[in-house]
Amino acid sequence: LAKTTQPISMDSYEGQEVNITCSHNNIATNDYITWYQQFPSQGPRFIIQGYKTKVTNEVASLFIPADRKSSTLSLPRVSLSDTAVYYCLVVSDSNYQLIWGAGTKLIIKP
Amino acid sequence: NAGVTQTPKFQVLKTGQSMTLQCAQDMNHNSMYWYRQDPGMGLRLIYYSASEGTTDKGEVPNGYNVSRLNKREFSLRLESAAPSQTSVYFCASSDGTANSPLHFGNGTRLTVT
Repeated sequence: LAKTTQPISMDSYEGQEVNITCSHNNIATNDYITWYQQFPSQGPRFIIQGYKTKVTNEVASLFIPADRKSSTLSLPRVSLSDTAVYYCLVVSDSNYQLIWGAGTKLIIKP
Repeated sequence: NAGVTQTPKFQVLKTGQSMTLQCAQDMNHNSMYWYRQDPGMGLRLIYYSASEGTTDKGEVPNGYNVSRLNKREFSLRLESAAPSQTSVYFCASSDGTANSPLHFGNGTRLTVT
């Protein structure tokens, strides 16, 4: 199972673009990269998932370089409501046990 | 569409008491999971059920038992609660494939005194 490493915390300001990078050096060929968001007193919520290159949805983009040993979650024009903990996970195609790290606590300031 | 529903939301137990945490999903998902989350930490898998009729241990199964009652419901039982089991417990479900996301309930906050 691939272990992920991401910053413990980040600060930014409303209206800015925020990029959170995650490293997963021992990712396997069939593994997917997934990001979740968690607010206090709630369960994590799926944000985005990708395998390679770039994926974009209505809330975020995910950039994955060719070697797939890292990935970057990009949140465009953040607001105060984006203050949360963000988890990067690698999901194995053969074993669905997810290894959750401590996540990145993102604080958005006015 | 309720998604994943957990009951109760809060519970206080004395050491040695038993209780069952209930989880139900209405998305027709094959796989269900129980996690615990301690302050400032990520989630740790207790047990999971890849499909109806099967259960498997996760990372921290000691002190817990589970039952996959049917496709919708997956319960977690603490037979003899200990203070070390004070935590927030989350149930989740998914289609069971690597590219299908987990859907979480809002958790049960358990305190064991």
